[in-house]
Amino acid sequence: ETGVTQSPTHLIKTRGQQVTLRCSSQSGHNTVSWYQQALGQGPQFIFQYYREEENGRGNFPPRFSGLQFPNYSSELNVNALELDDSALYLCASSLENPRGNELFFGEGSRLTVL
Amino acid sequence: GQQLNQSPQSMFIQEGEDVSMNCTSSSIFNTWLWYKQDPGEGPVLLITLYKAGELTSNGRLTAQFGITRKDSFLNISASIPSDVGIYFCAGQLEYGNKLVFGAGTILRVKS
Repeated sequence: ETGVTQSPTHLIKTRGQQVTLRCSSQSGHNTVSWYQQALGQGPQFIFQYYREEENGRGNFPPRFSGLQFPNYSSELNVNALELDDSALYLCASSLENPRGNELFFGEGSRLTVL
Repeated sequence: GQQLNQSPQSMFIQEGEDVSMNCTSSSIFNTWLWYKQDPGEGPVLLITLYKAGELTSNGRLTAQFGITRKDSFLNISASIPSDVGIYFCAGQLEYGNKLVFGAGTILRVKS
């Protein structure tokens, strides 16, 4: 177990709706990243938060937004949901390491858009 | 953008056999990571490689960071049924930066 918890584990939305996914990082980790994993593919980087600020973003439209709170927990918000947004959304937390950044993932939130 | 080519796409092997899978990239990475993902769960970190040429083991798993910094391989010795899952390689360009993942290798083990 990585100590990274995500909620909800599963949810179903309809096109055009909005969704908020939540993540609690592992104790002591101050960086949170979000990834989208479509069925049969590897995870794709959405964005990263460090000390409550966005610190890197992947190729996702602005309707994907996030927040990080003072306790390092994080939210991913997706507006105007589209069918292609159906995926497993993974949160990963990491600890500052001069040698590199090991990311530890939660179990994910499975989003289905109908 | 950066892409990782992971092979093979899937493997179906006999319990006790050794397994080898690899990952290649058109770009140089500073860090390579290998993850395993079981159905319905998030990826679990297996091994992290920080330096070109580095060879690192974790139990029956051994991974190497290629000299060119554009490839990595993962070996599993004496496979067991619980090795079943999807194995992902991931490359990281610089400290704190995003991970770029391969498409995964599906491993099935016949007991």
